[in-house]
Amino acid sequence: DIEMTQSPSNLSASVGDRVTITCRASQDISSWLAWYQQKPGIAPKLLIYKASNLETGVPSRFSGSGSGTEFTLTISSLQPDDFATYYCQQYKSFSYTFGQGTKLEIK
Amino acid sequence: QVQLLQSGAEVKKPGDSVKIACKASGFTLTSYYMHWARQAPGEGLEWMGIIYPDGVSTRYAQKFQGRVTVTRDTSTRTVYMEMSGLRSEDTASYYCARAGTDTAMYYWGQGTLVTVSS
Repeated sequence: DIEMTQSPSNLSASVGDRVTITCRASQDISSWLAWYQQKPGIAPKLLIYKASNLETGVPSRFSGSGSGTEFTLTISSLQPDDFATYYCQQYKSFSYTFGQGTKLEIK
Repeated sequence: QVQLLQSGAEVKKPGDSVKIACKASGFTLTSYYMHWARQAPGEGLEWMGIIYPDGVSTRYAQKFQGRVTVTRDTSTRTVYMEMSGLRSEDTASYYCARAGTDTAMYYWGQGTLVTVSS
């Protein structure tokens, strides 16, 4: 199975900050990567698909980049609603593995 | 609009089976892949399996092979996930999700909490 490793696991930041979360795949997944946001007790929400495509309705302060084995999710200016846990997921092969998550907290 | 409505919480004993329903509305099941994933309390997301638009082909994470079965009933617009041989470690919220233009998980159900306890 393809393993996905996110860093950092925890991140403290302030409103207005620019933050970046990294996701690394154990093998080449081309651009078959998604990013999700999850808040406590609620189902995840798709933010980015195919590494850099913003899902409809997602604010433009979110962006994704990368290909192959290294990917990033960037939030250009943190808003209060952005404090949540973020997951990457590969979908190149039919194992669809998730990263372990990055919890973004208010500093 | 796309909606996925899952069946209610379940309490099971070790060794039991559970079957969770995911009722779809706002789209045609025969046109999309449907996923299942789970999340244990305080833990991350874990992908479990997928059913293809043909309603016959399925794929499962190796961890769940032989213990999980995903099926579909187009007459009721419902996708099911059945897990057998439940253990305490299977206590989790279980989610169905619909794919989109590719097989990422675009739309999610609200989740179904399964508690396994003796």
